[in-house]
Amino acid sequence: SAVISQKPSRDICQRGTSLTIQCQVDSQVTMMFWYRQQPGQSLTLIATANQGSEATYESGFVIDKFPISRPNLTFSTLTVSNMSPEDSSIYLCSVRTDLNEKLFFGSGTQLSVL
Amino acid sequence: DAKTTQPPSMDCAEGRAANLPCNHSTISGNEYVYWYRQIHSQGPQYIIHGLKNNETNEMASLIITEDRKSSTLILPHATLRDTAVYYCIVKSGGSNYKLTFGKGTLLTVNP
Repeated sequence: SAVISQKPSRDICQRGTSLTIQCQVDSQVTMMFWYRQQPGQSLTLIATANQGSEATYESGFVIDKFPISRPNLTFSTLTVSNMSPEDSSIYLCSVRTDLNEKLFFGSGTQLSVL
Repeated sequence: DAKTTQPPSMDCAEGRAANLPCNHSTISGNEYVYWYRQIHSQGPQYIIHGLKNNETNEMASLIITEDRKSSTLILPHATLRDTAVYYCIVKSGGSNYKLTFGKGTLLTVNP
């Protein structure tokens, strides 16, 4: 298994500002993902965080809005830029370990934009 | 990846078996059936997955029909802590591992 620590767990931000969310894993993992869960909705994949290269974004998500870093095999950040109230969501980090097909999820970051 | 259909909600009495159905009629031969659940205010948690044979682990059993067009997740003795949204996901294996979540089934376990 993998233990994932996400910070912050929640934040309230002003419109137009940016927030960086950190995801730290207790072991090296092959793949890391970022998901968004809007209020009352299911999870939507934002991007795959690639170690040492640019993230791979899903349709509807762009790097300028959601820049992602992954400097090593245990850490990644997601920035939500120039925030608006529509960005109010839970943002979740997810990882896949080498050994199996399971995905492990962090507990999420609850973001509210005023 | 094949699409799945689940009932939006189900109720179950505490201590009884909870049987959660999932239809995946367009599943292809190399696609697995995965189940995850999301307890309120937590990230999703892996439960079980299978290809064609029935599977059992410490959390649940997965029954896949012979034609693989549907499956059932069984929680043998549901507890109040099993109240969650349960997601059935069909996904092929491979290196580019992405999960597409549908709306899932909200299972409410009642005392």
